[in-house]
Amino acid sequence: EIVMTQSPATLSVSPGERATLSCRASQSVSSNLAWYQQKPGQAPRLLIFGASTRATGIAARFSGSGSGTEFTLTITSLQSEDFAVYYCQQYNNWPPYTFGQGTKLEIK
Amino acid sequence: EVQLVQSGAEVKKPGTTVKVSCKVSGSSFTDYYIHWVKQAPGKGLEWMGLLSPLDGEAIYAEKFQGRVTIAADTPTDTVYMELRSLRSEDTAVYFCAKGVIDWYFDLWGRGTVVTVSS
Repeated sequence: EIVMTQSPATLSVSPGERATLSCRASQSVSSNLAWYQQKPGQAPRLLIFGASTRATGIAARFSGSGSGTEFTLTITSLQSEDFAVYYCQQYNNWPPYTFGQGTKLEIK
Repeated sequence: EVQLVQSGAEVKKPGTTVKVSCKVSGSSFTDYYIHWVKQAPGKGLEWMGLLSPLDGEAIYAEKFQGRVTIAADTPTDTVYMELRSLRSEDTAVYFCAKGVIDWYFDLWGRGTVVTVSS
């Protein structure tokens, strides 16, 4: 099973600033990595797939990068609606599909 | 527009069985992989299994193997997740999600809260 590790667990950033979230895989997942955003009481929403491709309707301030075992989600010019929990997920080697434990992005 | 509509909240006693449904509207479920994901209170996302559109077979995470069944009712485009021998650790929100091929999940249901309590 591929273990996904996200860091930091919590990230405090001020509105208008940039947030950088990290995700590491225990073995290579190529570019088969997705990022999801989840707000309290809601279902996750797909942000990024293929490590760097934005899903339909996702704002350009969200960008993904990386391949192999190291990945980054960057959110520039943070808006109030961006404060949420973010999960990475690998789909290169399944079963099982595996998620990171999440990074909570909170307002500083 | 494809939507995933899940059944309502359930309260179950330990040792019993829960069956959660996910109705695919706007398309046929046979066009997609349908996954089930568990989220315990305050915890992350945990993949439980999927139903493959290719052969109608289910594939399960090892952790849930033997205790979970994922199946479909084709005429109603509804996919079910049945979890047996419930215990308190099964208290969670259960999401169904639509897969893009066998890759990422591009659409999620709103989730079904299952509470296991004596």
